[in-house]
Amino acid sequence: EAGVTQFPSHSVIEKGQTVTLRCDPISGHDNLYWYRRVMGKEIKFLLHFVKESKQDESGMPNNRFLAERTGGTYSTLKVQPAELEDSGVYFCASSQPDPTQRHEQYFGPGTRLTVT
Amino acid sequence: AQSVTQLDSHVSVSEGTPVLLRCNYSSSYSPSLFWYVQHPNKGLQLLLKYTSAATLVKGINGFEAEFKKSETSFHLTKPSAHMSDAAEYFCVVSPYNNNDMRFGAGTRLTVKP
Repeated sequence: EAGVTQFPSHSVIEKGQTVTLRCDPISGHDNLYWYRRVMGKEIKFLLHFVKESKQDESGMPNNRFLAERTGGTYSTLKVQPAELEDSGVYFCASSQPDPTQRHEQYFGPGTRLTVT
Repeated sequence: AQSVTQLDSHVSVSEGTPVLLRCNYSSSYSPSLFWYVQHPNKGLQLLLKYTSAATLVKGINGFEAEFKKSETSFHLTKPSAHMSDAAEYFCVVSPYNNNDMRFGAGTRLTVKP
């Protein structure tokens, strides 16, 4: 079974540019999550999709971040325009639709974003 | 409110000796607790989870953790470290049936030959 995949693995962009991160969850996982780890800090929750709907986006830092999950399959996270403080590792995770398994989240390897 | 404190940012052990990674939590609700491990260039992998059943939880690769409500702790242990255990470990707390997962800062485990 393929795991959660993320693309790209690394991205280096200049301040003010736009970057789009992609996450492909495990097939059949309705729940999809985005997290971010800024250098030296904890991993922080950004948002949660159930299928194509945003269930909880309370962790999104500001309106420069836009997450989508059209069709309820893969998801994208766009940062526009990028700022220096956006640098970090962005993780995606997915979990099964069964509520009893809801917390067993499977994580991707992350995308390391560097804004210069 | 809920939070997690991992008491050591870095732990170094010799191969074959016991591992102890410490985690204290704070939660207003009956929590679920997890340990995840991240090897270099890999995603976070679930080691074990506590969800209000047995307080001693066994996970993969010989790891286990004990939920101690009186001490608000959920320390991760392994009797004998292996070189392949070298990685970063995260303690996570979440209210039951809620997506609000709070991660600790992580503990980097080094295993010396």
